[in-house]
Amino acid sequence: EPEVTQTPSHQVTQMGQEVILRCVPISNHLYFYWYRQILGQKVEFLVSFYNNEISEKSEIFDDQFSVERPDGSNFTLKIRSTKLEDSAMYFCASSEAPRGGGQPQHFGDGTRLSIL
Amino acid sequence: AQRVTQPEKLLSVFKGAPVELKCNYSYSGSPELFWYVQYSRQRLQLLLRHISRESIKGFTADLNKGETSFHLKKPFAQEEDSAMYYCALSGMDTGRRALTFGSGTRLQVQP
Repeated sequence: EPEVTQTPSHQVTQMGQEVILRCVPISNHLYFYWYRQILGQKVEFLVSFYNNEISEKSEIFDDQFSVERPDGSNFTLKIRSTKLEDSAMYFCASSEAPRGGGQPQHFGDGTRLSIL
Repeated sequence: AQRVTQPEKLLSVFKGAPVELKCNYSYSGSPELFWYVQYSRQRLQLLLRHISRESIKGFTADLNKGETSFHLKKPFAQEEDSAMYYCALSGMDTGRRALTFGSGTRLQVQP
């Protein structure tokens, strides 16, 4: 069964540094998402991406965040100047185009981001 | 604003006992509800969605709009059901696909 893949599995970065988290969505999926889960807290939506542009974003997704689909397979999340509070598990997800209702989102294993 | 509440952080039952994981939601429009499961050291996986009204691994969930609930049930728990369960909502009537998650319930099925 096809899967969403994320790299790296764990990223350790100094505060203030830029970090790029990478995702390869399922190949025939058209919608891509990023979520995060701070330790002990809920999974929170960050952003969704469709047709090469952001379709939704949450309040968390401020100017320090950006997303990109640099080629036909990768979907990246960049954090420009990391803060301690960015430490979290970041999940990528993808879904097919909706057919009479939402399509389920398929999640990757996540990237654990640790900011020192 | 939309919100999902899972009141139990931990539910511990014995093998063979019935299980009910509670989920209540708050949403002004027509919601789409999902249950996701995360087994130890595995990714979040879709378990159920209300729109398909199917039973997966013996689990069922019925959307009750009057009580704004989407509780997950299984008549006889198995040890392999031990996992973290998340209820999630999206507002498909508004075209929003972002999922709002509950805080999750850890199910422990003891032998």
